[in-house]
Amino acid sequence: SAVISQKPSRDICQRGTSLTIQCQVDSQVTMMFWYRQQPGQSLTLIATANQGSEATYESGFVIDKFPISRPNLTFSTLTVSNMSPEDSSIYLCSVEQGYSGNTIYFGEGSWLTVV
Amino acid sequence: SQQGEEDPQALSIQEGENATMNCSYKTSINNLQWYRQNSGRGLVHLILIRSNEREKHSGRLRVTLDTSKKSSSLLITASRAADTASYFCATVARQGAQKLVFGQGTRLTINP
Repeated sequence: SAVISQKPSRDICQRGTSLTIQCQVDSQVTMMFWYRQQPGQSLTLIATANQGSEATYESGFVIDKFPISRPNLTFSTLTVSNMSPEDSSIYLCSVEQGYSGNTIYFGEGSWLTVV
Repeated sequence: SQQGEEDPQALSIQEGENATMNCSYKTSINNLQWYRQNSGRGLVHLILIRSNEREKHSGRLRVTLDTSKKSSSLLITASRAADTASYFCATVARQGAQKLVFGQGTRLTINP
């Protein structure tokens, strides 16, 4: 299975600031995804990070608020911009490994608290 | 949008008993995947079951899939305290983007 490393694992952020979360995978993957999990809730897909092109955002999420980079097949970043307390969530990076039968693996997540 | 519904939302059983969690979904799927999440941590992949499969096993885990009813179940046999976690089902649609849509999850507590 893919080994996915996320940084930071946890952070406390000031309202109005921005934070960039990094996701590093130990092998090349085609599909990378970013999810948000608000406290006590399930996971919601923010966007699919495409290598070499703009990310594809889900309804309710916009690039200005959650800019994403995908410079190569093993790395992606998600920025949470102009944060408010409502952005306090766990943000999770996930990848699909085609040779494992389309299993989608997750990183440990980045737990952000906005104060 | 969330398409999965899981029940029960919370389940508390004694160690050694079996735990069954159910998941329903709305659209045609390519596959369905079950995950475990310990409090505040990432998701651990448990089992992937494809739309043409009806049952899969992995250790103490048994997953069934009924595409006619658009439902799946996860059975954990001989539960242990370490099984305490939230369990999520997630589906990949048959058509369109290869992305997971999650259910609301079941919070499982195993009492020693």
